[in-house]
Amino acid sequence: DSGVTQTPKHLITATGQRVTLRCSPRSGDLSVYWYQQSLDQGLQFLIQYYNGEERAKGNILERFSAQQFPDLHSELNLSSLELGDSALYFCASSVDPRARMNEQFFGPGTRLTVL
Amino acid sequence: EDKVVQSPLSLVVHEGDTVTLNCSYEVTNFRSLLWYKQEKKAPTFLFMLTSSGIEKKSGRLSSILDKKELSSILNITATQTGDSAIYLCAVEAGGTASKLTFGTGTRLQVTL
Repeated sequence: DSGVTQTPKHLITATGQRVTLRCSPRSGDLSVYWYQQSLDQGLQFLIQYYNGEERAKGNILERFSAQQFPDLHSELNLSSLELGDSALYFCASSVDPRARMNEQFFGPGTRLTVL
Repeated sequence: EDKVVQSPLSLVVHEGDTVTLNCSYEVTNFRSLLWYKQEKKAPTFLFMLTSSGIEKKSGRLSSILDKKELSSILNITATQTGDSAIYLCAVEAGGTASKLTFGTGTRLQVTL
């Protein structure tokens, strides 16, 4: 158990809908990262937050947005869902991206299925 | 664009064998290289290698970073069925941000 928690575990929804995935980082970690893992794409970095502020952006679609709250938990919002958005969504956390040793620890993931 | 390539894609070995997994990368602003093990769900952190720590060992697992060749290897000796998993290599790049680029992974299956 990495100490990173994600809810829900599984989510099944229809195309066109909107969902929110939630992540709580390990105690003491200030940075949160979101990744998407699909069968054909592997693990893809979406976005990073540090202490409430967006720090880096990867291959995140405009239909997706995220934020990190003052208590450091983060939410990833996915809207106008398409079949191709079906994937495992991971959250990871680390202490400080500026630190020399900045291991990212992954949560158990949320499996999203869009029907 | 940052790129991480792992080989082989898939590997089947007998219990007790030694395996070597490869990872090569092309990134700007390299900071570190990380190895993760992914079984059923979340990737589990194994090692982080940086310019000041190019060799790491933990039990039967060890890893070396070759900064000149822009590559790394992960060795597993005396493999066990519990080592069966996907092994992911990721490279961290960036300044104050920290972005991991993952390879597609090597699927290792250890049979009896």
